[in-house]
Amino acid sequence: DIQMTQSPSTLSASVGDRVTITCRASQSISRWLAWYQQIPGKAPKLLIYKASNLENGVPSRFSGSGSGTEFILTISSLQPDDFATYYCQQYNSNSPSFGQGTKLEIK
Amino acid sequence: QAQLVQSGAEVKKPGASVKVSCRASGYTFTAYYIHWVRQAPGQGLEWMGWINPNSGDTNFAQKFQGRVTMTRDTSITTAYMELSRLTSDDTAVYYCARNYRKAHIDYWGQGTLVTVSS
Repeated sequence: DIQMTQSPSTLSASVGDRVTITCRASQSISRWLAWYQQIPGKAPKLLIYKASNLENGVPSRFSGSGSGTEFILTISSLQPDDFATYYCQQYNSNSPSFGQGTKLEIK
Repeated sequence: QAQLVQSGAEVKKPGASVKVSCRASGYTFTAYYIHWVRQAPGQGLEWMGWINPNSGDTNFAQKFQGRVTMTRDTSITTAYMELSRLTSDDTAVYYCARNYRKAHIDYWGQGTLVTVSS
């Protein structure tokens, strides 16, 4: 099974900050990676697919990069609605797997 | 607009089984796989398995092999996940979600809280 590791687990930041979240795969997954945002009590919401493609309707301050085993989610200028938990997910294998999540908190 | 609507919350005793439904609408049901993902209180997302509604083929995470069953009824565009031999560790919100072949998961159900308590 492919293991996904996110860092950091928790991130404290302020409105307007630029933040990055890293996701590492235990083996190469090409670009088969998605990023999701989850607000407490809600289902995850797709932000980025195939490593760098922005889902329709997602603000352009979100961007993704990477390939192989290392991927980055960047939020260029944090807005109040962005304080949530973020998950990466690989879908290269027949058994998808998620990172453990990164909680983005208000500093 | 695609939509996945799940059945309501359940309370079960240890050792029992639970069956959660996921009704799809707004797209061709048989064209997209249905995945099941769970989230224990305060924890992350855990992939459980998928079903191909067209063929009925399934693939489960090793952790759930032998304890999970995934089925579908194409006549009512509904997928089901049944988990048996429940313990308190199975207390979680269970989500269904869809993806197209090798693509990413794009739509999620609203989640179903399953509480296992004596």
